[in-house]
Parts: sequence; C-alpha cells; structure tokens
Amino acid sequence: AQSVAQPEDQVNVAEGNPLTVKCTYSVSGNPYLFWYVQYPNRGLQFLLKYITGDNLVKGSYGFEAEFNKSQTSFHLKKPSALVSDSALYFCAPYDYKLSFGAGTTVTVRA
Amino acid sequence: DAGVIQSPRHEVTEMGQEVTLRCKPISGHDYLFWYRQTMMRGLELLIYFNNNVPIDDSGMPEDRFSAKMPNASFSTLKIQPSEPRDSAVYFCASSSPGRGVNEQFFGPGTRLTVL
Repeated sequence: AQSVAQPEDQVNVAEGNPLTVKCTYSVSGNPYLFWYVQYPNRGLQFLLKYITGDNLVKGSYGFEAEFNKSQTSFHLKKPSALVSDSALYFCAPYDYKLSFGAGTTVTVRA
Repeated sequence: DAGVIQSPRHEVTEMGQEVTLRCKPISGHDYLFWYRQTMMRGLELLIYFNNNVPIDDSGMPEDRFSAKMPNASFSTLKIQPSEPRDSAVYFCASSSPGRGVNEQFFGPGTRLTVL
C-alpha cells in the first residue's frame, strides 16, 4: 500500500523567507514520490520526483525536496519564497497511478 | 506538443441531463487518468487506462459515471443522469511510464456545474 500525509492544511510565509511543505510517506518496497503544484484555476504541474539515488532532489521553479528514509519524509523546500509560489501543493506516492490527498495551501505574503 | 487537451473548459447543465467530457492525451502516452476535484473531497482518481484498456475504475462513484477510450488519442467521461453533487472540476492526465517512473501531465480541467 502506498500513502502519504501532509500534516499541514495551510502554510503561511513572508516573501523572501524559507518555505517548507511537509510530507511523510508509508509505502511498501521502494518509494517513488512526487510533488505537484496547482495554481488557482489551473491543472496540476509536476515539480519533482524521487525514484532512487541522491536524497536531495532538485525540481522546477527553485524547489527541492529531501528524501529521508529514517524519518519517512519527503519535505518540499524553497530557500526564498515568492508571492507567485502561492498555490496548492500535493505530495503523492506512485504505483503506476498517483494518489493525491487534500494537499497543502501555501500563501506567501508580500 | 500541445499538452493534454480537454473540452469543454466549462459546462453548465441541469440535473438529469447527460454530460460528456472529452480528453486528448499527449501523443505517445499510453496511460490516461481521469480525476475529480472538489473542495470537500480533494483530488480523486476516478479511472485510468493503459493502452486504451480500463485498468482500475474503483474510483468511479456510481453507475451514472462511465468512461471510454476508443483509441489512443481520445477518451470520454460521461455522466448520465447528472446530479448537482457531480459539480466539480474534472481533470484528465496522461503519462508514459514505459521508460521509467514518469510524471503525469495534466490538462486544464473541465469545470462542471449541475444546477
């Protein structure tokens, strides 16, 4: 079974501050994990994925995520948030299909 | 490539009417997914196809919903009869995992309102 949890429904940060969106996973076997972003009134866009290899994965728009096996986490991070990063973020496990949860709403204030 | 194409972008209909949503996946992709997004339930996977064959339809809410993929470049999601609780944004996505674990590409969605 593959599942993830995003413990925060909302994250609020000031522009220029670091942004972290948390995700913990529970998967059997090797975890394949994805992050997607959904801007208002748009479809989901792929940010990055972890399959194997380096625990630090770099993705689109300056985002990165760190895979931590001991903590079963795959947190999304950005060193300096922009107002335009305000969106809905989804962490999802992959098993030929993606299982999305409710996501985390990020609001970056100017 | 034009990406995943969905039509219509907006649909307003009355309860009891038949609704057909359409999707054209990215050329060469062999997986196609239909999702529904609502405030209450989030993003739900309804059904997905591999090489035009339905693989998992466990997310289809009830018999009023049906999906077909007659060929590699076209899929439909049909609701008959429609009900107000079907109001949601419906997304289609496609992918090609044959060469590895690849991301899904989403269309812009169809916003359905059932009055």
